[in-house]
Amino acid sequence: GQQLNQSPQSMFIQEGEDVSMNCTSSSIFNTWLWYKQDPGEGPVLLIALYKAGELTSNGRLTAQFGITRKDSFLNISASIPSDVGIYFCAGQLFFGLGRRQKLVFGQGTRLTINP
Amino acid sequence: DTGVSQDPRHKITKRGQNVTFRCDPISEHNRLYWYRQTLGQGPEFLTYFQNEAQLEKSRLLSDRFSAERPKGSFSTLEIQRTEQGDSAMYLCASSTPGLAGGRTDTQYFGPGTRLTVL
Repeated sequence: GQQLNQSPQSMFIQEGEDVSMNCTSSSIFNTWLWYKQDPGEGPVLLIALYKAGELTSNGRLTAQFGITRKDSFLNISASIPSDVGIYFCAGQLFFGLGRRQKLVFGQGTRLTINP
Repeated sequence: DTGVSQDPRHKITKRGQNVTFRCDPISEHNRLYWYRQTLGQGPEFLTYFQNEAQLEKSRLLSDRFSAERPKGSFSTLEIQRTEQGDSAMYLCASSTPGLAGGRTDTQYFGPGTRLTVL
């Protein structure tokens, strides 16, 4: 089945540093999504990417949908303490006449920030 | 608050007991999904409803698991004869079909129900 390889698994950075994480897959996805999850909570959508090559920003976050449709990256600039959490990439597939969809998640990147 | 809600947020049960979780999707969303997330992993797909129809079930959904969405609004996930391996966070998400022009439906998650089986 489809699998996403997300890296790095964890990051320890200083406040103010930029962060970069990425996801790769052997499968092609229709959409790439990036979520952030705080402890004990559900994932919160950060950025959605719908077209190959698309580059989208949301405040200090920037994400790109790879040209091959098999990868995506997320950058966070000038990190602040509230950026701490686990970041997940997710690839979305559509299939069938009824446009059934399937969301496949990476293993997550745990971000820790030293003030 | 108009987001996805789940109840209860936490459930502790003894092995062998049955448990039921509820999910209320965003009101205008006709698609609803259940996921399971274990510690240190990303969410794994369990099942998917479009309106009241259950269109997809993962192999992870054993015979002890059943999900319903009787009126196409809220959904319930029941686990019968719980096992310690069922301990996990159970997440619900909802979406609505995308608009024309390539924007496709995006899933929004609830806060989850954390199940602990003793």
